[in-house]
Amino acid sequence: ETGVTQTPRHLVMGMTNKKSLKCEQHLGHNAMYWYKQSAKKPLELMFVYNFKEQTENNSVPSRFSPECPNSSHLFLHLHTLQPEDSALYLCASSQEAGVNQPQHFGDGTRLSIL
Amino acid sequence: EDKVVQSPLSLVVHEGDTVTLNCSYEVTNFRSLLWYKQEKKAPTFLFMLTSSGIEKKSGRLSSILDKKELSSILNITATQTGDSAIYLCAGGVVSSGTYKYIFGTGTRLKVLA
Repeated sequence: ETGVTQTPRHLVMGMTNKKSLKCEQHLGHNAMYWYKQSAKKPLELMFVYNFKEQTENNSVPSRFSPECPNSSHLFLHLHTLQPEDSALYLCASSQEAGVNQPQHFGDGTRLSIL
Repeated sequence: EDKVVQSPLSLVVHEGDTVTLNCSYEVTNFRSLLWYKQEKKAPTFLFMLTSSGIEKKSGRLSSILDKKELSSILNITATQTGDSAIYLCAGGVVSSGTYKYIFGTGTRLKVLA
């Protein structure tokens, strides 16, 4: 149990589908993050939310749309994805963004685009 | 462009061996260096290093930062099969007022019984 829960664990979708990834943290943190992890590539930061406000969008295509309704929940809405979007999507949280502290990760959603 | 490079990319050792994993960083506005262990699931936090030359230890794992050489090492002594994982290094930087981590590709360690 990592304190950060992601659902679903696996997702297979076609390029025309719309789906959402969910992340929930039980650590009382105020910052949440989405990362993309592709094979043989470094973890890529996608979005950062601090106290429900988006503070970072790392040049992510608009087919990825994040939503943070409160400090405990983070969503990633997906639509018209491309095969190169197949990857492990990791959610993380930390006490606050903008300060020097470690992030706690969820187990990830393994996404496959057909 | 900010960059973190880890070496070796992969490593196979036998139980009981000692291993040293390397991480070098070329980043602006460096603030910290972190190590994570990733087995099949979530990366789990190991160490955060902010001061040069001060070793951090946790059981058989230890790590140290060298700001002059822009690098860090992670040592694992008396390795066990449970140490098999990908070890990730990340540099903490401040960019445009935002604090974020730049990750390396990781070192894949396999420990054979």
